[in-house]
Formats: sequence, C-alpha cells, structure tokens
Amino acid sequence: GAVVSQHPSRVICKSGTSVKIECRSLDFQATTMFWYRQFPKQSLMLMATSNEGSKATYEQGVEKDKFLINHASLTLSTLTVTSAHPEDSSFYICSAIRDREGEKLFFGSGTQLSVL
Amino acid sequence: AQSVTQLDSQVPVFEEAPVELRCNYSSSVSVYLFWYVQYPNQGLQLLLKYLSGSTLVESINGFEAEFNKSQTSFHLRKPSVHISDTAEYFCAVTPSGGYQKVTFGTGTKLQVIP
Repeated sequence: GAVVSQHPSRVICKSGTSVKIECRSLDFQATTMFWYRQFPKQSLMLMATSNEGSKATYEQGVEKDKFLINHASLTLSTLTVTSAHPEDSSFYICSAIRDREGEKLFFGSGTQLSVL
Repeated sequence: AQSVTQLDSQVPVFEEAPVELRCNYSSSVSVYLFWYVQYPNQGLQLLLKYLSGSTLVESINGFEAEFNKSQTSFHLRKPSVHISDTAEYFCAVTPSGGYQKVTFGTGTKLQVIP
C-alpha cells in the first residue's frame, strides 16, 4: 500500500528554537496534505490543509506565523514550528491524499514534539 | 459541518470476550465513515471504512462495523478480542466524495485484560 513517511518521529528542543517536521509521500504524488495536532488523551485536530504550489489553508485558531507550512513539491510538505514554547509540545501527524483508485487517505507515523 | 461522538473514553474487556466501541455522528450531508487504530507513539492505521453499498464492513483482523443511517451510528465490534487489540480507536467522518475535512472523534482506549 501507499506509504507516507514522517520525520523525525521524536524531537526535543529548547524553548525559542524552531523545529521542522517533514511529511513525504513515498510512492505517490500528493497535491493535498493535511497537518493534525493531537494533545494527550484527545482527538486529532486539523491544523491546516497544505496544497502543492499554493499557500496552506489554516483552521480557525491556528497561528499561521507560528506553524509555517510549505508544500514545495508533490511529495513533500513541511511543518515548521517557529519559536517553539512548551505549550507547543504535542503529537503532530500528517496525512496525504492519493488521487488514484483504491485507498485515498494515508497517515504518517507522527512526530512527538517536546519543548523544554 | 460534521461531528463525531465517541462516548466511551476507555473500554476494559477480558481477552476473548466480545467488544463494541460506540460511534455516533452528525452531518447535514452524506458521509464516509472510518475507524482508525493508533498504537502507542504511532500514527493512525485505517481499520475499516464505509463509503457506500453494504452497510456492514469488515477488517482483515476480525473487526466489523455497521453503518446505521437512521441512528447515525457506526459502532465497531469484535466477537473475541486479543491482547494485541489493545490500542486507541478513533471514529472519523468526512463528506462523501472527498477527504478534505476529516473530523475525528475523541477516541476510545481499548484495554484487553489477560
């Protein structure tokens, strides 16, 4: 089946630094990718929709200047958490849509971000 | 807009016993329904889905879910659980025809007791 790779799986950083998370579709082109955030014992909340070659669409309440999304190619979307603070600590998951017959939506394995 | 309700945050069950994880949804349009499983510190894996056709859908590892339009439910069942089924299960919904806005429930943690 199609694979979505997310890297890194775990990152620990100091407060004030920026962290970049990569989401790659390994065997298909993904014009649309999504970024979710999951707090402990809570559900996944959609943060933004990433469209290749255009600006991301952010959900209400998500700071676009804090969570920078770049979808520069059909196989890669990046989420950069700028000037990270402890409250940004969370589990971030990406997903991608495959525009072919068969299963359409695939998730990455997630990134656990811990900001000290 | 759509919403998903998973009333049970945790469900403990003994090994080899049956289990049902409840999921109700609301939507003003027709929907696709999904169940995802998440193991600790991992991403989501699709367990099963309902797009159209038969209202009873099955997974390869013995789970099944039935779409009930009148009750707006999509409960997940397994007749006999294994220790390896211990995980978090998320019900999700998206407007039919696309995957642009997938809304997840709050999850149900299934704890299988030996």
